[in-house]
Amino acid sequence: ETGVTQSPTHLIKTRGQQVTLRCSSQSGHNTVSWYQQALGQGPQFIFQYYREEENGRGNFPPRFSGLQFPNYSSELNVNALELDDSALYLCASSREVVMDTEAFFGQGTRLTVV
Amino acid sequence: AQTVTQSQPEMSVQEAETVTLSCTYDTSENNYYLFWYKQPPSRQMILVIRQEAYKQQNATENRFSVNFQKAAKSFSLKISDSQLGDTAMYFCAFMKQTGNTGKLIFGQGTTLQVKP
Repeated sequence: ETGVTQSPTHLIKTRGQQVTLRCSSQSGHNTVSWYQQALGQGPQFIFQYYREEENGRGNFPPRFSGLQFPNYSSELNVNALELDDSALYLCASSREVVMDTEAFFGQGTRLTVV
Repeated sequence: AQTVTQSQPEMSVQEAETVTLSCTYDTSENNYYLFWYKQPPSRQMILVIRQEAYKQQNATENRFSVNFQKAAKSFSLKISDSQLGDTAMYFCAFMKQTGNTGKLIFGQGTTLQVKP
């Protein structure tokens, strides 16, 4: 059983550019959630995908968008990058969306916007 | 809105000793889950322990145990026989079901250093 993998591990972008982050969910998992973790802070929920549909969204602007593919892997896209978007982006997958299923996290993508 | 508060930004403990990390939360819900996650320098969040709100018995996982006080909305983590590998950032997290979405709400974290 493979774990959750994210790519790339590190990324540097210029303000105003666009970025795509990728997440491969754990085998057998159909739910992917994305979180933004600023330095020294706890992760903040961006959105969740369940069976290829957006299934809930946190307090993030529309320039944060996502996608889930038929194999349940997922992408996070951020347009018009701002300096405050610099953070660790975590992906978590789970078997279902219900509370009693454990979420497994990837190692994250460290995004730096300059 | 639910909030999770960890009032101890940093803690340290001697190897083999016991340490307790504090967490309080605010919710009007009756059915929810609480978690402690560990984030070592490798950045990957690892589930340490979880507690279902409807269960009165405190959860335990080997050296890790919680003190869940539902009325006080308190959820502390006790680490016994601390090991150097326990050095990490620890996050308390809350989850409830909102429609079809189960999202985690995290506290600000506590950095724990285990000293030899």
